[in-house]
Amino acid sequence: EVQLVESGGGLVKPGGFLRLSCAASGFTFSNAWMTWVRQAPGKGLEWVGRVKSKSNGGTTDYAAPVKGRFSISRDDSKNTLYLQMNSLKTEDTAIYYCITGFYDRSGSYHGDDAFDIWGQGTVVTVSS
Amino acid sequence: QSALTQPPSASGSPGQSVTISCTGTSSDIGRYNYVSWYQQHPGKAPKLMIFEVIKRLSGVPDRFSGSKSGNTASLTVSGLQAEDEADYYCSSYAGSNNIVVFGGGTKLTVL
Repeated sequence: EVQLVESGGGLVKPGGFLRLSCAASGFTFSNAWMTWVRQAPGKGLEWVGRVKSKSNGGTTDYAAPVKGRFSISRDDSKNTLYLQMNSLKTEDTAIYYCITGFYDRSGSYHGDDAFDIWGQGTVVTVSS
Repeated sequence: QSALTQPPSASGSPGQSVTISCTGTSSDIGRYNYVSWYQQHPGKAPKLMIFEVIKRLSGVPDRFSGSKSGNTASLTVSGLQAEDEADYYCSSYAGSNNIVVFGGGTKLTVL
């Protein structure tokens, strides 16, 4: 079964840090481009950042609000994705989802535009 | 404020059709044919329904269809059913700087 399971969320004070993990199973993790998105309470979805597969350079990109504070990494030997969050702000409070793309019927890979595998999310609360 | 603009709510009676719009700019929806739509039921993770503007993911009923004109994409749900009541989010690829932008979501109510 294809699965993504996030962990590591919790309550942290402003200025603090947290590391989220996402354990993948049921697909070839090393080939996958992995993305983090978040959803603030009662709000819409927001793209946070992405790491490409190592075969595609392992490039990371980040949304402007988190650039310089958040860092995405992957350990392909453990099939695990990470999100290191530093200098946390109250506006970082959200459910954080680990997601990934897929190959469609024509064989095209959707790594950056469409995501069909989602974790259940992990809650991050930044509050004093 | 979300990068893509969606109406906060939409509604229709069972069996009717409803269309949800998603307006972006010439840098995202207007430039790329990479618009996706997600359905989210309360307390659940979003589920991909439509990708590349018009393509349905395997298993998605053909009652769901997507389209695009200029900077605006649309999701049409035909033959509304009670289980279609959910939040719907659009997204678009936005190039190497922004990568992916999302809409603020539309709450679809089946009356």
